[in-house]
Amino acid sequence: NAGVTQTPKFRVLKTGQSMTLLCAQDMNHEYMYWYRQDPGMGLRLIHYSVGEGTTAKGEVPDGYNVSRLKKQNFLLGLESAAPSQTSVYFCASRPLEPNTEAFFGQGTRLTVV
Amino acid sequence: AQKITQTQPGMFVQEKEAVTLDCTYDTSDQSYGLFWYKQPSSGEMIFLIYQGSYDEQNATEGRYSLNFQKARKSANLVISASQLGDSAMYFCAMRGGYSTLTFGKGTMLLVSP
Repeated sequence: NAGVTQTPKFRVLKTGQSMTLLCAQDMNHEYMYWYRQDPGMGLRLIHYSVGEGTTAKGEVPDGYNVSRLKKQNFLLGLESAAPSQTSVYFCASRPLEPNTEAFFGQGTRLTVV
Repeated sequence: AQKITQTQPGMFVQEKEAVTLDCTYDTSDQSYGLFWYKQPSSGEMIFLIYQGSYDEQNATEGRYSLNFQKARKSANLVISASQLGDSAMYFCAMRGGYSTLTFGKGTMLLVSP
């Protein structure tokens, strides 16, 4: 079972370059999320979506944009990468039922030099 | 705003012993949920256990149990009979609006033979 798949797994960017991280889930989940993980900080919410065509800002949205044109996909974009965006990025999805866990992708390790 | 506090940056335990990982939380919501995730060195996020604020019984999942003390706002994870494979980072998280998660900074558990 695929679950939540993130593409790519690793990427090195130069400052100022742009890129898009793709998250795909095959569980027909309504909710999708992007988190970043930095050493000693735990995971912090960047953006989230409660359904196709909807997005909302999380705790640390600056420098990122997202889109959810299809229910199964949630894209995270960096228009002009900065070294401060060096991090591990996790996508997650979950169904509408509140008492269920979120399913996480395997993570994308991004380095901005 | 919600807040999760994990005060133990690192914990050591010997194989086959029990260990408790601390988690305290702060929220003004009456209905909430608490999760524990495990992150091994390979990086993926693995769901362990869930406790709802209205659940009367402490949650248990195999060797994992959650010691939920609502009045003290604590949700400690207890791992019984530790195994070498339990060595990992452990995160406590709380469910917020639209089922977003607020994470603690994590506790690194090292199990020694």
